[in-house]
Amino acid sequence: AQTVTQSQPEMSVQEAETVTLSCTYDTSESNYYLFWYKQPPSRQMILVIRQEAYKQQNATENRFSVNFQKAAKSFSLKISDSQLGDTAMYFCAFMNDYKLSFGAGTTVTVRA
Amino acid sequence: DTGVSQDPRHKITKRGQNVTFRCDPISEHNRLYWYRQTLGQGPEFLTYFQNEAQLEKSRLLSDRFSAERPKGSFSTLEIQRTEQGDSAMYLCASSLTPNTGELFFGEGSRLTVL
Repeated sequence: AQTVTQSQPEMSVQEAETVTLSCTYDTSESNYYLFWYKQPPSRQMILVIRQEAYKQQNATENRFSVNFQKAAKSFSLKISDSQLGDTAMYFCAFMNDYKLSFGAGTTVTVRA
Repeated sequence: DTGVSQDPRHKITKRGQNVTFRCDPISEHNRLYWYRQTLGQGPEFLTYFQNEAQLEKSRLLSDRFSAERPKGSFSTLEIQRTEQGDSAMYLCASSLTPNTGELFFGEGSRLTVL
């Protein structure tokens, strides 16, 4: 079974600053996908960024980037130039056999 | 809007009653997932379908839970003899195969069992 651990329940960041969210996972698989999903208050979960394990290059989507360390089984998310609309719960997720396993989430609050 | 829709959005029921939730996925998506999310936690996988076939069920899905996707389109999740521990948000998601990994989620159905 795969487990996903997010050790930071809450993070607070000033608007325009950078915040980094941690995620570690455990798996015996060699090929898999990792994701960060965002769940704004009272709204549906949406995909932020995706990383394929066989790709060494870290994924980037606009202000969002990841630091994928396969040997360490670490997958952190960096949000640059934080905006008020980034306030949400962020979930790290692992995909294997077509289903996602989620971490417990990190609540990010962006302060004006 | 052609996103994933769930109904009802909120359901309050008394312990022992049966409840049913419906999910309408994005029309061309052949995979459909049900997850359960309790407050402050990440979603937990319950079950998923490819077309009308239920391919996997979590151990979390007790005998009181049943899910169907009769024509490979919408799905229902029924909980019989509800218990207070069933109170949660029930999320539905859909995706295409081959799967790029992105699941499209609905807004969820929140269940409160009194």
